[in-house]
Amino acid sequence: EVVLTQSPGTLSLSPGERATLSCRASQSVSSGYLAWYQQKPGQAPRLLIYGASSRATGIPDRFSGSGSGTDFTLTISRLEPEDFAVYYCHLRITFGQGTRLEIK
Amino acid sequence: QLQLQQSGPGLVKPSQTLSLTCAISGDSVSTNSAAWNWIRQSPSRGLEWLGRTYYRSKWYNDYAVSVRSRITINPDTSKNQFSLQLNSVTPEDTAVYYCAREEIVATSAIDYWGQGTLVTVSS
Repeated sequence: EVVLTQSPGTLSLSPGERATLSCRASQSVSSGYLAWYQQKPGQAPRLLIYGASSRATGIPDRFSGSGSGTDFTLTISRLEPEDFAVYYCHLRITFGQGTRLEIK
Repeated sequence: QLQLQQSGPGLVKPSQTLSLTCAISGDSVSTNSAAWNWIRQSPSRGLEWLGRTYYRSKWYNDYAVSVRSRITINPDTSKNQFSLQLNSVTPEDTAVYYCAREEIVATSAIDYWGQGTLVTVSS
């Protein structure tokens, strides 16, 4: 079973800054199944990116995904106040442990 | 607009069975383009996929190894819903449980989630 490791565990940034979140797979995987989710307290996760780089419906273009093989990245180009949340990568039946994006 | 509405008890006694239902509106449990999943979340385990049911000319189920001996996911086509049963629960099964749609054709991702149900296992 593939293990997804996210880094960093916590990222402290200010609004307007750029955020780069990493997801590393324990073995090479198909990017077609790599997704990213955002979760805010008390809410279910929300799909941001699917197929490693395609934005889901209604997701602002400041969110972008990239990567292949074992290394994947979620980038938020300019942080808005509502972007501070926990982010998870996901592949089929496996989730990463999450990266908490907090306001600096 | 697709909606998933969860129902079921929030408190289950140890050794008993956890039962949750997810009612689907805006899609069909029998669709060939989706799978219907149960996922749970706890501070100790994070997001944990439990299993899914889907229809491809016949019904199929996939279950996580960690719960395979205790879990059943069933579709109910008459009510357009699907259910989760987890037997012999222990306090380690305490978590927020989500039902979710995995869209197969366009995204191959989980694109809709239920509202979540906090289930506490305690006597």
